[in-house]
Amino acid sequence: QVQLVQSGAEVKKPGASVKVSCKASGYTFTSYYMHWVRQAPGQGLAWMGIISPSGGSTSYAQKFQGRVTMTRDTSTSTVYMELSSLRSEDTAVYYCAREGGGSSRWHFDYWGQGTLVTVSS
Amino acid sequence: QSALTQPPSASGSPGQSVTISCTGTSSDVGGYNYVSWYQQHPGKAPKLMIYEVTKRPSGVPDRFFGSKSGNTASLTVSGLQAEDEADYYCSSYAGSNNLVFGGGTKLTVL
Repeated sequence: QVQLVQSGAEVKKPGASVKVSCKASGYTFTSYYMHWVRQAPGQGLAWMGIISPSGGSTSYAQKFQGRVTMTRDTSTSTVYMELSSLRSEDTAVYYCAREGGGSSRWHFDYWGQGTLVTVSS
Repeated sequence: QSALTQPPSASGSPGQSVTISCTGTSSDVGGYNYVSWYQQHPGKAPKLMIYEVTKRPSGVPDRFFGSKSGNTASLTVSGLQAEDEADYYCSSYAGSNNLVFGGGTKLTVL
């Protein structure tokens, strides 16, 4: 069965960086795009970007351009999201989400369990 | 990229129907048939309910129905049940490898 297992909660100081991992299993890792979505406490969902696990190409939401980097390791079927220059407004639950395959795009059929990142001095 | 517009709240009694709207522009909702809807219960990850405007994933009850007219997409939940009480989010492809979410709607089953 498809599983996306994310790394554990993080507490970071303002100005620091955080790197969240998402390990995929139960399907062919390189065949499905992966996205990152975040949700601040009590707020809605915000799309951060997409990575192609096969070639590693990425596209980021304008809001996060310059601060976010998404990478992947095909040997471990893991994608990573690194966010730098953290500020208190980055406190949120970060989700990885698998995109539907083939020509059926831009929706997320499987989600990770979420990783809480807290930014506090 | 601006968020899609959803009503903050919606409600209905058990057995009734409720419709949640999601308004965008011709650059997102109106321009592509890549509108999705997600259900999120407190403390849980979102769950896909509708994709490509009208399609239901396996396991999603046919009480959930998606549609679109112009720049506005809608999610209709018929035969409301207590377990339908949750937050609902729409999303749409917005071109140039970008996606945008709606602000979310809290559905209350009275």
